[in-house]
Amino acid sequence: DQQVKQNSPSLSVQEGRISILNCDYTNSMFDYFLWYKKYPAEGPTFLISISSIKDKNEDGRFTVFLNKSAKHLSLHIVPSQPGDSAVYFCAASEGYGAGNMLTFGGGTRLMVKP
Amino acid sequence: DVKVTQSSRYLVKRTGEKVFLECVQDMDHENMFWYRQDPGLGLRLIYFSYDVKMKEKGDIPEGYSVSREKKERFSLILESASTNQTSMYLCASSESGHTTNEKLFFGSGTQLSVL
Repeated sequence: DQQVKQNSPSLSVQEGRISILNCDYTNSMFDYFLWYKKYPAEGPTFLISISSIKDKNEDGRFTVFLNKSAKHLSLHIVPSQPGDSAVYFCAASEGYGAGNMLTFGGGTRLMVKP
Repeated sequence: DVKVTQSSRYLVKRTGEKVFLECVQDMDHENMFWYRQDPGLGLRLIYFSYDVKMKEKGDIPEGYSVSREKKERFSLILESASTNQTSMYLCASSESGHTTNEKLFFGSGTQLSVL
């Protein structure tokens, strides 16, 4: 059973509007969460992260929100740009270190239309 | 810039063949990982290695083995390829120590088709 789920396989948004990508998890031991972005023919690249001691982390146009009681996190992109079109993976781990294995969600393909 | 290079972008093999996927990183990273990416399932960890000649099983090691004879190179081996191993394979590397998971650097991937 998948411990990290992204229930929307795809999302289409108009340029300039907000994109909201959602992620749910079941393992209550997860305490560190990340978003990776993947363009076609490239490997995933790190986008933003949040630890369980916070409920929000912001980096430019990207904000991640964490709701621990609901075991839910979301990525907000404001404003969305065509270059944001990619597959976004949510990931979680128990702890911060590089040795802590990441569990990935299935990904959401975001399409930002000009 | 960190570079993780996977030897093949596309690979087509027949059922029962032995398959080698090669990965090389140029940043002297201690940790190396092999993932497979399947639609709807995201990335799943097959094997990882913290040091030369060391290996640890990930979530789905069945049907795979790995080799790490040199620090910069991590090979994934399919002893007898099967059709359910058709997938995108991604190699990654990271530093050890207190480095957090965002410092995971991925290669571009190898799309393997087993016929």
